[in-house]
Amino acid sequence: NAGVTQTPKFQVLKTGQSMTLQCAQDMNHEYMSWYRQDPGMGLRLIHYSVGAGITDQGEVPNGYNVSRSTTEDFPLRLLSAAPSQTSVYFCASSWTGNTEAFFGQGTRLTVV
Amino acid sequence: QSVTQLGSHVSVSEGALVLLRCNYSSSVPPYLFWYVQYPNQGLQLLLKYTSAATLVKGINGFEAEFKKSETSFHLTKPSAHMSDAAEYFCAALNNAGGTSYGKLTFGQGTILTVHP
Repeated sequence: NAGVTQTPKFQVLKTGQSMTLQCAQDMNHEYMSWYRQDPGMGLRLIHYSVGAGITDQGEVPNGYNVSRSTTEDFPLRLLSAAPSQTSVYFCASSWTGNTEAFFGQGTRLTVV
Repeated sequence: QSVTQLGSHVSVSEGALVLLRCNYSSSVPPYLFWYVQYPNQGLQLLLKYTSAATLVKGINGFEAEFKKSETSFHLTKPSAHMSDAAEYFCAALNNAGGTSYGKLTFGQGTILTVHP
């Protein structure tokens, strides 16, 4: 099992560009989430999903869109990148809403 | 709900006790987790508290004790090893009402440095 796979690992964007961060899991987990990690702030929840077709906003959703068409995939879209979105992004999945999360290796995004 | 980790940096000597502090604020005791992050890697689960035993043992010799009266879940290891150098995160799932939908609330993180 690969677990949670994120691509790309590194990305540099110019302000205003769009891109999609990919996340896939092969554990048949219903719950998936996106977090951003900034120094001194821990990880903050961007969006989450409780199953295919169901998504909702987390603590810091502005500037990000998500969709969940399959159980396995949960892409995160930046429609118009801003320097404030420079961060490390983590995707996570869990079996239920009350069990531990498994994390991907992260995507380091720089917006210039 | 919030999670607070006291001390953004902790430095210990190899062989010394490791103590990383975590306090939560929640009207209902949450499920609690400690994760470790090595440089340029993802988060790996160290241990978890899910309302069974209050003293929880994890991987790599770490353990944590849930204390409801102190709203704490401090992480300890009797003897630090150089390989323990990493960033550690305490996180909570607020399961009041039945499910938290997998929404973790994280503390700010503590960077552990181990000196030879």
